[in-house]
Amino acid sequence: AAGVIQSPRHLIKEKRETATLKCYPIPRHDTVYWYQQGPGQDPQFLISFYEKMQSDKGSIPDRFSAQQFSDYHSELNMSSLELGDSALYFCASSLEGDPGNTIYFGEGSWLTVV
Amino acid sequence: GENVEQHPSTLSVQEGDSAVIKCTYSDSASNYFPWYKQELGKGPQLIIDIRSNVGEKKDQRIAVTLNKTAKHFSLHITETQPEDSAVYFCAASISVYSGGGADGLTFGKGTHLIIQP
Repeated sequence: AAGVIQSPRHLIKEKRETATLKCYPIPRHDTVYWYQQGPGQDPQFLISFYEKMQSDKGSIPDRFSAQQFSDYHSELNMSSLELGDSALYFCASSLEGDPGNTIYFGEGSWLTVV
Repeated sequence: GENVEQHPSTLSVQEGDSAVIKCTYSDSASNYFPWYKQELGKGPQLIIDIRSNVGEKKDQRIAVTLNKTAKHFSLHITETQPEDSAVYFCAASISVYSGGGADGLTFGKGTHLIIQP
């Protein structure tokens, strides 16, 4: 079965640069979520979108922004990168109204800021 | 906001024995409680979930129990195997069934499960 696709899988950026991560949800899923996971930590919820509108907001820094497009894919834009932004970024998706709203995660994008 | 506590942080069991991981949550409005297994460098993989209208759910060697009154839920793995070794996360959220999307999951800190051969 198709899963959540994230790109790129690995990304190296310098401080103060900008990075963009992309997420392609499971086909028919209408909700996407973004999470940040530091080394040895639990995933921290950043933001979610349902039907292209922001649905819920977590601990997303002001330097980050995200959106969901008409084809339901989503992009996370990160500007003025800091060393502390180095982490594994996960996208997840679900189908609103499907028994459960079960949330499925992608394999993640490794961001290293140097 | 929601706060999820997970214990223990590390659990070592002999192959074939059972493993139990426990979580508590703070927001009584939370109604969706998934468990994820995460292997090193990979994304969290959903292994089982439970909703607040159900007290227990089982899938082969894995079971989850939920006590809404006490606001705690537990993962039970029986007949553990080496491939069960991983980090397990519990999570909680408020899942909306009609419009508006679902809230983000709040995760516990994770349990490193080690299966000793």
